[in-house]
Amino acid sequence: EDKVVQSPLSLVVHEGDTVTLNCSYEVTNFRSLLWYKQEKKAPTFLFMLTSSGIEKKSGRLSSILDKKELFSILNITATQTGDSAVYLCAVGVSWEYGNKLVFGAGTILRVKS
Amino acid sequence: SAVISQKPSRDICQRGTSLTIQCQVDSQVTMMFWYRQQPGQSLTLIATANQGSEATYESGFVIDKFPISRPNLTFSTLTVSNMSPEDSSIYLCSVEDARARGGTDTQYFGPGTRLTVL
Repeated sequence: EDKVVQSPLSLVVHEGDTVTLNCSYEVTNFRSLLWYKQEKKAPTFLFMLTSSGIEKKSGRLSSILDKKELFSILNITATQTGDSAVYLCAVGVSWEYGNKLVFGAGTILRVKS
Repeated sequence: SAVISQKPSRDICQRGTSLTIQCQVDSQVTMMFWYRQQPGQSLTLIATANQGSEATYESGFVIDKFPISRPNLTFSTLTVSNMSPEDSSIYLCSVEDARARGGTDTQYFGPGTRLTVL
């Protein structure tokens, strides 16, 4: 059974701190790893990673994938209260009917001012 | 990326009734997906809906409980049938949009439908 595990499940930091969120996976037919931010209802797309060792950056957020060790990290530097959200890791897998995403449980991040 | 709308945005229903949720996309897409997110939980895939074929259901979900229609490349519906309080969740549709920033595999989500069953 495909499995995606995120850690920590939740954390509380102060504005300006740097945080690292972890995602490990065990899946068959790996295609990609994606990070989403969920504040209210709809998850919003952050990154998609397919190659090991290539960092993707967007402002204060960055992410990298290690396909040998089967994990990814999402870094957020100089955190702001607006970063408070649930961060979801999803792994894209292929199966007989096409492609699909398998989601982790998420990390709840709260940034205190 | 594709713009996705869902109706209704929320509803409160009585047990034993059914609710149909609509998902509309502003462009043609091949793959549409329906997810459930129970309170405090992550997203669980219910089914994949491809136009012109039967929906493909994940383990634990059946067509009698969650019938899905996909009449064209921009629209899908999910019905939650014979509801019980355990069906209280957020229901989300998503589309795979290979033209978008993330490329193939990237799914974009609708705003969700918050369902409460009494």
